[in-house]
Amino acid sequence: DAGVTQSPTHLIKTRGQQVTLRCSPKSGHDTVSWYQQALGQGPQFIFQYYEEEERQRGNFPDRFSGHQFPNYSSELNVNALLLGDSALYLCASSLDLNRAGANVLTFGAGSRLTVL
Amino acid sequence: DQQVKQNSPSLSVQEGRISILNCDYTNSMFDYFLWYKKYPAEGPTFLISISSIKDKNEDGRFTVFLNKSAKHLSLHIVPSQPGDSAVYFCAASLDYNTDKLIFGTGTRLQVFP
Repeated sequence: DAGVTQSPTHLIKTRGQQVTLRCSPKSGHDTVSWYQQALGQGPQFIFQYYEEEERQRGNFPDRFSGHQFPNYSSELNVNALLLGDSALYLCASSLDLNRAGANVLTFGAGSRLTVL
Repeated sequence: DQQVKQNSPSLSVQEGRISILNCDYTNSMFDYFLWYKKYPAEGPTFLISISSIKDKNEDGRFTVFLNKSAKHLSLHIVPSQPGDSAVYFCAASLDYNTDKLIFGTGTRLQVFP
């Protein structure tokens, strides 16, 4: 059973560029969330997508945007990259209908972004 | 403003002994608490959770204790095993029905033989 898969695993960008990160949720899951984990910090919630709509958002600027496709996969886009955007970006999935297991997210291994 | 705090960045425990990982929070509205474990080059994996209406939850070697008056929770691992060596994150949520978790900064546990 494939878990959450993310691509690319590593990438390097320069300031001002744009980046797109991709995520395929665990089979059977319909909700995708994105987290940013800076070095030495815990993951920080960016936003959550369900039924192709952004359902909840953390304290991140509009430079961070996302999308969810009909097959439940998702993309995270970051525009006008800053040095401070360098981090591990984690995608997590869950099943909305199964709220007996609420908050029990399945995480991918992440995409490590370095901004130079 | 760090709402969930793990003040011990690292912990070293001998195999077979008890590991106690601590977590403090500031927001009394948190409704649900979770522990995640992370190995290098892998995503965090869910370990155990507890609702704010309980003070203890146990799953095999893992027990989580919640002290709401002190805004403190702890994870006990008994007995500790070398495979438990990982980074442990405490997380909290304001609502049972949300995927928005607020994480602490993590504690690196090392279990030595």
